[in-house]
Amino acid sequence: AQSVTQLDSHVSVSEGTPVLLRCNYSSSYSPSLFWYVQHPNKGLQLLLKYTSAATLVKGINGFEAEFKKSETSFHLTKPSAHMSDAAEYFCVVSDGGSQGNLIFGKGTKLSVKP
Amino acid sequence: DTAVSQTPKYLVTQMGNDKSIKCEQNLGHDTMYWYKQDSKKFLKIMFSYNNKELIINETVPNRFSPKSPDKAHLNLHINSLELGDSAVYFCASSQRAGYTDTQYFGPGTRLTVL
Repeated sequence: AQSVTQLDSHVSVSEGTPVLLRCNYSSSYSPSLFWYVQHPNKGLQLLLKYTSAATLVKGINGFEAEFKKSETSFHLTKPSAHMSDAAEYFCVVSDGGSQGNLIFGKGTKLSVKP
Repeated sequence: DTAVSQTPKYLVTQMGNDKSIKCEQNLGHDTMYWYKQDSKKFLKIMFSYNNKELIINETVPNRFSPKSPDKAHLNLHINSLELGDSAVYFCASSQRAGYTDTQYFGPGTRLTVL
């Protein structure tokens, strides 16, 4: 069965410093992996996705993630945090079937200090 | 134009009532989903429809009944509401039901059962 673990429930950074949000996955298949962001009282927006192409995936707003099969990781990074990055981030794995079932991590809340 | 829209945005009701949440997508997608986000922000799929046919039906009380009148709409009807049904419900859609397909989420409906 597929699963995803977000290693930090809360990450706090200062504006202008790097962001690292950690995610480990478990999958019997070659997984599809996604990062979604949820701003307060808003819906979910796709940041980026990995579907067995390039292992370094670039997303919107300067975010990127690297798929590392040997470490079963898909960590999200950004070189320089902006105040508007403060939100909840979800790492997501697809179950590998034909039904598109997404399995969500428990989320990491990113706080950005001025 | 809103890609995936939900109505209402907020729903406050008494225990025992019956309520519906509507979802519409204008992306021309074949597949639509309902997710529940609990008070700890954990997201879990409830239902998935592909071309108006139910393809995922997770362990959800049968008080919840999805209805898809056409590919662009997936409504959620809830009978005999309980306190534990209080949550944010998200509708999503994707081009297909495949595991690489990106799901696009609506803004959510916050249901509060008193």
